[in-house]
Amino acid sequence: DIQMTQSPSSLSASVGDRVTITCRASQSISSYLNWYQQKPGKAPKLLIYAASSLQSGVPSRFSGSGSGTDFTLTISSLQPEDFATYYCQQSYSTLTTFGQGTKLEIK
Amino acid sequence: QLQLQESGPGLVKPSETLSLTCTVSGGSISSSSYYWGWIRQPPGKGLEWIGSIYYSGSTYYNPSLKSRVTISVDTSKNQFSLKLSSVTAADTAVYYCARREEVVAAGGAVWFDPWGQGTLVTVSS
Repeated sequence: DIQMTQSPSSLSASVGDRVTITCRASQSISSYLNWYQQKPGKAPKLLIYAASSLQSGVPSRFSGSGSGTDFTLTISSLQPEDFATYYCQQSYSTLTTFGQGTKLEIK
Repeated sequence: QLQLQESGPGLVKPSETLSLTCTVSGGSISSSSYYWGWIRQPPGKGLEWIGSIYYSGSTYYNPSLKSRVTISVDTSKNQFSLKLSSVTAADTAVYYCARREEVVAAGGAVWFDPWGQGTLVTVSS
């Protein structure tokens, strides 16, 4: 299985901050990396697919980058509605796997 | 707008079979462009892919669950279903259904979107 490791596991930030979350794969996954946002009691929502493509309807303050084993999700200016848990997912392997999540909290 | 809705018992006894159905509305499950999947999330934990199915009935499963999982499709009802046998407390989770999209133009990249709201299944006697 391809292991996905996110860092940090949790993060405190303020409205307006620029935030970066990192996801590392245990082997190269090219650009087969997606990012999801999950709010409490809700289903995950797709933000970024194929490492850097913004899903329709997602605000442009979200961006993704990386290839191979190292990827980042950046929120350029945090908004109150962005406080949530973020997951990365690799789809390089038929056995798709998710990172453990990064909880973004209000400072 | 495509919507997915999970349904099924919220409580299952240990050693029994968990059965859930996902009803798709606002689009056809028989679209050639998509697979349909099940993902679960134990309380307070991360996400685990269970398996996926094509409208033709072609399936693939997470090897860690393969011996206990069956996913089927009913195109006449626009539904697909999950059966997980011999459940234990470790199978307690929120179960989500989702559409799996693969885009050739994106190099064959695959993602899940949209998702159902999820349903909590508790395994307990």
